[in-house]
Amino acid sequence: GAGVSQSPSNKVTEKGKDVELRCDPISGHTALYWYRQSLGQGLEFLIYFQGNSAPDKSGLPSDRFSAERTGGSVSTLTIQRTQQEDSAVYLCASSLESSGLKAQYFGPGTRLLVL
Amino acid sequence: AQKVTQAQTEISVVEKEDVTLDCVYETRDTTYYLFWYKQPPSGELVFLIRRNSFDEQNEISGRYSWNFQKSTSSFNFTITASQVVDSAVYFCALAGSSNTGKLIFGQGTTLQVKP
Repeated sequence: GAGVSQSPSNKVTEKGKDVELRCDPISGHTALYWYRQSLGQGLEFLIYFQGNSAPDKSGLPSDRFSAERTGGSVSTLTIQRTQQEDSAVYLCASSLESSGLKAQYFGPGTRLLVL
Repeated sequence: AQKVTQAQTEISVVEKEDVTLDCVYETRDTTYYLFWYKQPPSGELVFLIRRNSFDEQNEISGRYSWNFQKSTSSFNFTITASQVVDSAVYFCALAGSSNTGKLIFGQGTTLQVKP
């Protein structure tokens, strides 16, 4: 079956612009996670969605970052007023449930470059 | 606090050698899950294995094997008879039961297998 898909694959933007990154999880997966991979920080958790529960936003680095998940499926990560330190690969993952009992499957990522 | 340490930043071996990637974790949760992911040059994180904290049996899958020891908080990964296709960055990760399943990653070990 289809895996996690993310778009765009690459995004180049100018400092100060807003960007939107999209994630389509595996069909039937109720849990969705966003992570960020950068050279200096490794792989960091950003935000998590599970069904209709309130998202866990504890990993978002600043209030410029936000995410939503519509209809329990597609998710969009928005970065407002981008900064050069936002340059990273943004990874989305989904799993059948959030407890850790099931593995998280990752998408190919969106490579963001802020000039 | 939860933490994963992969002390080996880079390992280089010659094809057919055995290689062990170390992973040490810290958590106060009594129930937790440990994972290994592979990130080949293409960039996508590939799930390899998940173990829960109550199952200390070692696992073997083809040339891959994992040794989980709670006494030393370690979850090491061994590749037997390494191949060039094993060249990748390998990440160990932890999901505590108190953490909504979000993964805490180690810094990764880059494995280079030379022909």
